[in-house]
Amino acid sequence: KQEVTQIPAALSVPEGENLVLNCSFTDSAIYNLQWFRQDPGKGLTSLLLIQSSQREQTSGRLNASLDKSSGRSTLYIAASQPGDSATYLCAVKPGTASKLTFGTGTRLQVTL
Amino acid sequence: NAGVTQTPKFQVLKTGQSMTLQCAQDMNHNSMYWYRQDPGMGLRLIYYSASEGTTDKGEVPNGYNVSRLNKREFSLRLESAAPSQTSVYFCASSPPGLAGGTDTQYFGPGTRLTVL
Repeated sequence: KQEVTQIPAALSVPEGENLVLNCSFTDSAIYNLQWFRQDPGKGLTSLLLIQSSQREQTSGRLNASLDKSSGRSTLYIAASQPGDSATYLCAVKPGTASKLTFGTGTRLQVTL
Repeated sequence: NAGVTQTPKFQVLKTGQSMTLQCAQDMNHNSMYWYRQDPGMGLRLIYYSASEGTTDKGEVPNGYNVSRLNKREFSLRLESAAPSQTSVYFCASSPPGLAGGTDTQYFGPGTRLTVL
């Protein structure tokens, strides 16, 4: 059974700092991996999707990398801002089946 | 284009009561999903529908039923609510992706359900 782990569960950084969020998964046979953002009391918004054949994806200040062989992905946030404060979740898709397996998320707070 | 909408936003039930959570999407997506989110547990898939007329169980289907009414709507029913079903429920949808699979999922704002 695929298990997805995100450590740490919570992180607080000062504004302007670059930071890395981690995601690890137990079964390397994945179809793709996604990073989502969830604001308090809201639904999830997809940030980046990396297909299994890709190594990384970039969107603005966000960069997600994927190392299937080691079962790891990282989300790099450059020059963090208070507006980046949210919970970040990763999810893996095993093969072409519809289901995603989610991690429990990292709650990020960017302070002034 | 409203995306994925869910009703109601909040609900309080007593043990044993029934209710239906409604979900609709206007993006012409084939696949729709119901998840529950609990503290420390992440999101867990309850049921999903790969296309109109089909539904399949997810990780935690017990105590729930679903109906894919048409391509737009996917409802989740609790026949006899239990305190263990207190949670935040999210509906999501996704278009067909590469190689027949599905890619990015689009989520609704959630329904916060409390069962007393």
